[in-house]
Amino acid sequence: AQSVTQLDSQVPVFEEAPVELRCNYSSSVSVYLFWYVQYPNQGLQLLLKYLSGSTLVESINGFEAEFNKSQTSFHLRKPSVHISDTAEYFCAVSEGAQKLVFGQGTRLTINP
Amino acid sequence: EPEVTQTPSHQVTQMGQEVILRCVPISNHLYFYWYRQILGQKVEFLVSFYNNEISEKSEIFDDQFSVERPDGSNFTLKIRSTKLEDSAMYFCASSVRGYGYTFGSGTRLTVV
Repeated sequence: AQSVTQLDSQVPVFEEAPVELRCNYSSSVSVYLFWYVQYPNQGLQLLLKYLSGSTLVESINGFEAEFNKSQTSFHLRKPSVHISDTAEYFCAVSEGAQKLVFGQGTRLTINP
Repeated sequence: EPEVTQTPSHQVTQMGQEVILRCVPISNHLYFYWYRQILGQKVEFLVSFYNNEISEKSEIFDDQFSVERPDGSNFTLKIRSTKLEDSAMYFCASSVRGYGYTFGSGTRLTVV
């Protein structure tokens, strides 16, 4: 069975500082990996995804994530965060055309 | 950009009452899902639906729950006799081939 572990429930950082949100998964087969963002009182928005090909994937707002098969990780990074990045971030995994399994989420708080 | 539409955005119901949560998936998508998120917790899979039948369901999706695609556009989740612990945000999602998921903005269900 698949599972996703987000090691940090909360990550406070200062504005313009770099950030890394950690995600590890377990699965016995090839997987698709996703990061979703949830702004306060809103729904889930896809931030980026890894399906195949290049292991480094990027979003339009400066986030990137790298698929590391040997470490079964898909950590999310941003070199310089902004106040508007304050949100809950969820890592998720799926095995082909199946359900998404989500991690517990990481609350990213940006301090001025 | 195409959207998954959910109605209502917020529903309050009395314990024991039936509720129907409605979703309009993206028109050319073939896979449909319901997830829920209890306040402060992770997003949990409820059920997936493909080719007019349930393809997978979780332990949460017991006999109190049912899904329907009554016409070519709507996808509904019915809870027959609501319990206090059913209070959550319910998300509908759809995908083309099972990995390009798009989520709706959710329905917040409050059972009193």
